[in-house]
Amino acid sequence: KAGVTQTPRYLIKTRGQQVTLSCSPISGHRSVSWYQQTPGQGLQFLFEYFSETQRNKGNFPGRFSGRQFSNSRSEMNVSTLELGDSALYLCASSLGVFGGDQETQYFGPGTRLLVL
Amino acid sequence: AQTVTQSQPEMSVQEAETVTLSCTYDTSESNYYLFWYKQPPSRQMILVIRQEAYKQQNATENRFSVNFQKAAKSFSLKISDSQLGDTAMYFCAFYNNNDMRFGAGTRLTVKP
Repeated sequence: KAGVTQTPRYLIKTRGQQVTLSCSPISGHRSVSWYQQTPGQGLQFLFEYFSETQRNKGNFPGRFSGRQFSNSRSEMNVSTLELGDSALYLCASSLGVFGGDQETQYFGPGTRLLVL
Repeated sequence: AQTVTQSQPEMSVQEAETVTLSCTYDTSESNYYLFWYKQPPSRQMILVIRQEAYKQQNATENRFSVNFQKAAKSFSLKISDSQLGDTAMYFCAFYNNNDMRFGAGTRLTVKP
C-alpha cells in the first residue's frame, strides 16, 4: 500500500505570493492533519480534516487554510506569504479521527517551502 | 494550555547500550494520549510508541518502552540495545480534545 504523498517536495516563493500544497493520504484513510516544522517554533499543529470537514485548527492566522476532497486528498493554502512561513510542512493521515484508540498517524515526507 | 517539555536537546549512546529520553508535560486533563515520534535524517516522521493516559501499564514496542508516570506528568522513552538506525530526532507529543502539542525534540546519535 502506498504511503502518504506530498507534492511538491520543494517550493520557492516570494513574499506576498500564495501557495498551495497537496497531500494524498494512504488509501482508505479519511483523516488528514497538517503540521508546520521550523527550527524556531518546532512542530506545530495546523489543522485536521475528516470526511471533508475541518475538525480543528491550531493557532495560526487566517492566511493558512485548507480543504479536503471527497477522495480524502487534502490541500493547504497559504496566502500573502511572509518570510516566517518558510518551513517544512508535514501531512499525516489516519484511518479514522485521530485520537481514537489505536489510531495511528502516518506521515508524508513533507514539502519544504522557502519564502524569499 | 498543554505544554510538552523535552529537557535534553541532544544525547548520544553507544551501539547496543540503553538510553532514556525524558519528556514532561503539563495539563489539567485526565484523559489524553502521549506519543513518541522518530524523525530520521531523511525527514519522514514515524510513530515509535503511544500511551493512553487511562492505561496504567507502560507501553512497549520491541526495543522501545516508556515509563509513564501520570501523577508526575512524565513520559520517558527507553531504547534498549541501541542500533545505528535509531539515530534521529525524537519528539514527544501530547494529544487531547483535538489539540496536538509537540516537545522541542531530542537529537539522538548512536555511535558505533
